[in-house]
Amino acid sequence: EAGVAQSPRYKIIEKRQSVAFWCNPISGHATLYWYQQILGQGPKLLIQFQNNGVVDDSQLPKDRFSAERLKGVDSTLKIQPAKLEDSAVYLCASSLDGGREQFFGPGTRLTVL
Amino acid sequence: GQSLEQPSEVTAVEGAIVQINCTYQTSGFYGLSWYQQHDGGAPTFLSYNALDGLEETGRFSSFLSRSDSYGYLLLQELQMKDSASYFCAVRDPYNTDKLIFGTGTRLQVFP
Repeated sequence: EAGVAQSPRYKIIEKRQSVAFWCNPISGHATLYWYQQILGQGPKLLIQFQNNGVVDDSQLPKDRFSAERLKGVDSTLKIQPAKLEDSAVYLCASSLDGGREQFFGPGTRLTVL
Repeated sequence: GQSLEQPSEVTAVEGAIVQINCTYQTSGFYGLSWYQQHDGGAPTFLSYNALDGLEETGRFSSFLSRSDSYGYLLLQELQMKDSASYFCAVRDPYNTDKLIFGTGTRLQVFP
């Protein structure tokens, strides 16, 4: 069974530029999550989708971050414009029972200069 | 709000046993999960406890005491490859498909 796919794996941009990340979850997983993980910290949920609807985006900085999950499968997360403090690893995860076990992708390491 | 506390770092030698503790504060409890993350890697699920007691999965075991708001991950017969960060996570009581992660414990295993 294929795991969660993410691209790109690494991205370096300058502040005020825009960037987009892509995620393809495990087939059949209705719930998809985007997390931000700053070095030395645990993952922090940015947004949670159930199929193509948003369940929780309470911690998404909506003035600069946006996400969509068209057709309930792939998802994209965008940052526009980026700030220095956005430097982090962005993890995508999917699940059948998300409160118990989530399957994470390899992440995208973003560096904002 | 919900919060979790873990030691920031633990060290041990190969073959030893190590315990990583996690205390939590939540307005409602629905389950505690453990994840392993190697440097540069993705978090991977290790174990889950919803009821009090011990869950064993090979060399790894996880324990929960709901009355003490406390759990631990026990790693036996440590191997070098166990060097990683370990996170406990609780289900958000207002959205039980959402996990709230602790800050993680970095385990270093020495030969």
